Amino acid sequence: DAGITQSPRHKVTETGTPVTLRCHQTENHRYMYWYRQDPGHGLRLIHYSYGVKDTDKGEVSDGYSVSRSKTEDFLLTLESATSSQTSVYFCAISEFPSRRATNEKLFFGSGTQLSVL
Amino acid sequence: AQTVTQSQPEMSVQEAETVTLSCTYDTSESDYYLFWYKQPPSRQMILVIRQEAYKQQNATENRFSVNFQKAAKSFSLKISDSQLGDAAMYFCAFSNTGNQFYFGTGTSLTVIP
Repeated sequence: DAGITQSPRHKVTETGTPVTLRCHQTENHRYMYWYRQDPGHGLRLIHYSYGVKDTDKGEVSDGYSVSRSKTEDFLLTLESATSSQTSVYFCAISEFPSRRATNEKLFFGSGTQLSVL
Repeated sequence: AQTVTQSQPEMSVQEAETVTLSCTYDTSESDYYLFWYKQPPSRQMILVIRQEAYKQQNATENRFSVNFQKAAKSFSLKISDSQLGDAAMYFCAFSNTGNQFYFGTGTSLTVIP
């Protein structure tokens, strides 16, 4: 299994408070992603990173920010948590493929269950 | 924009029988990858099978195989000899060569003993 650690595994917080979720990898993969999983929506991309200090928005980025100061760490911050951000958050990693790479795939962390009350 | 559609929110199969999960996608690209991921109650996302679009041969992994129809933009998963441990949520996913991954909404598979 790929070495991806998400912390915390569970978190309960109150509306309006800041929250930071951490993803740590030991694979030295270039790409890192944050997804949220909600019933009926599958997995939706929040932000992703293609290198240190290189990040970009996904389809549901409003209310979230990210930072990547080291290859191995990718942080997701909810500046002011809202109840609509109650979800399961997954970190994933991927290696940048050469064209027609044979190892293109996403490796996932175990997820963080976040409840905003 | 790429989209992935799974039109079957729930499916069920008798143990030892075969079941097919459907997935369609939309893209203008010619080179891409397709995946099926399994998510059991443990919440862990597990890669079941992957398919390169440039390969005409359908991928197989033991009891799991795909029916890849590139022209129809269809990518179905067949599970043969279903086992109780196959019960899970299954997600179809698409990746372009820009390293973006897009997921369907999932199909919940129940295996009936």
